Parts: sequence; C-alpha cells; structure tokens
Amino acid sequence: IQLTQSPSSLSASVGDRVTITCRASQDISSYLAWYQQKPGEAPKLLIYAASTLQSGVPSRFSGSGSGTDFTLTISSLQPEDFATYYCQQLVTYPLTFGPGTKVDIK
Amino acid sequence: EVQLVESGGGLVKPGGSLRLSCAASGFTFSSYNMNWVRQAPGKGLEWVSFISSTASYIYYADSVKGRFTISRDNAKNSLYLQMNSMRVEDTAVYYCGRRSGPNTVNGFDIWGQGTVVTVSS
Repeated sequence: IQLTQSPSSLSASVGDRVTITCRASQDISSYLAWYQQKPGEAPKLLIYAASTLQSGVPSRFSGSGSGTDFTLTISSLQPEDFATYYCQQLVTYPLTFGPGTKVDIK
Repeated sequence: EVQLVESGGGLVKPGGSLRLSCAASGFTFSSYNMNWVRQAPGKGLEWVSFISSTASYIYYADSVKGRFTISRDNAKNSLYLQMNSMRVEDTAVYYCGRRSGPNTVNGFDIWGQGTVVTVSS
C-alpha cells in the first residue's frame, strides 16, 4: 500500500491552522497513524485509528478520514509543533509510511 | 519508565554484518509486538521488520528480505536485528518501536533513540 502526503512542506506562523493530507493507494479503513518527528529525535505517535488522540498529545492535534483520504489538523500552531509529520498505514505488512510533510516557520 | 534503548550500530563495509540490539524496560516486553524502522540520512521513515510477541509471526520489507533477521529474547527483554550482506543503501538510523497493542489500529507508541549504521568502504 502506497501513501502520499501533501504538501511535502509548508511554512506557517504561530497560531495558524495547519492541515496535512495523506492518501492511501487502496482502502485502509481507519487503520492510519500520524507521527511527529523533530530533528535528531525519534518519531512520536500523535494519532492512531485515524482520529484517536494518543495519550498526552495536546488537543490542538486532530485527525480525520477513512478509506483512502485522511487529514491531520493542528488547530493553532505552537512553536514546538515545527517538525516533520508522517502518516503510516497499519492494515497490512509492509507497514508503509508516507514521505513526510515538513512544517517550518514562516 | 517505559524505555527502549538500541545499541550495536557502527561502521561496516559493504557485504559485512552487524547485529543491533534493543533493550526494553518499564513494561512487560513479552506482551508486545515489536518492529524495526530505519531512516536514511535526510530521508523519511522506512519500516524494516516486525516480530510478534511470541515470535510466531515475522515480516520483512522487500528491501531487506533474505539479508536481515529479526529475533527476540523475552527472558532478556531484548529485540535483535541481524544484518548480513549489507549494502551502502542500508546506511541509516535504526529505531526499534513498540506496537502499542495487538490490534490493527495500534500505532508505534514507544521508540528507542536510534542507533546509527553506516555502510561504507
């Protein structure tokens, strides 16, 4: 299963609403996770089952979608949110990741 | 504290071998499915291999199949990745990751800090 993400990068300001899209090459139901990765750090799980917030993740992060189209939304971008975001399909091995979306400061 | 700590990375020549280890602590390791994920310099994440909690199920990415072997020792709370016939394109940071539960919806909730593997002559 192939995953694509758009955009590949974006520039935004603190307080902006940011939306990242992930599209799967076939129906994956709701078996999608989102991760945040900062330079030099391991990825961090943000959302699983397409829309379930992982424990401890701020509520400004939300996920939606099912089937082949998914969205990660950050409602009000904070300084600590500048990072690269990856989606991952969980339905079948190999558990592919999307190519990533880099969010940097405008 | 729930933690995964990788070790065993280093510099190896093409065609050589390396064994990575991932030490788990703070949780019941034997109850969790585990994975290896890698990230080439400046690139995205690539899933490498999976092993179920009892080692009954094992899967590999096509890029490493036949060259890499995943294993675990639940008595030692450890995960391993034996890498043989290594290629330049295997150069990456290697992470071990815990799948948060047995169900399809579960993502990788705990990650190690990564260990650097460089394949170069």
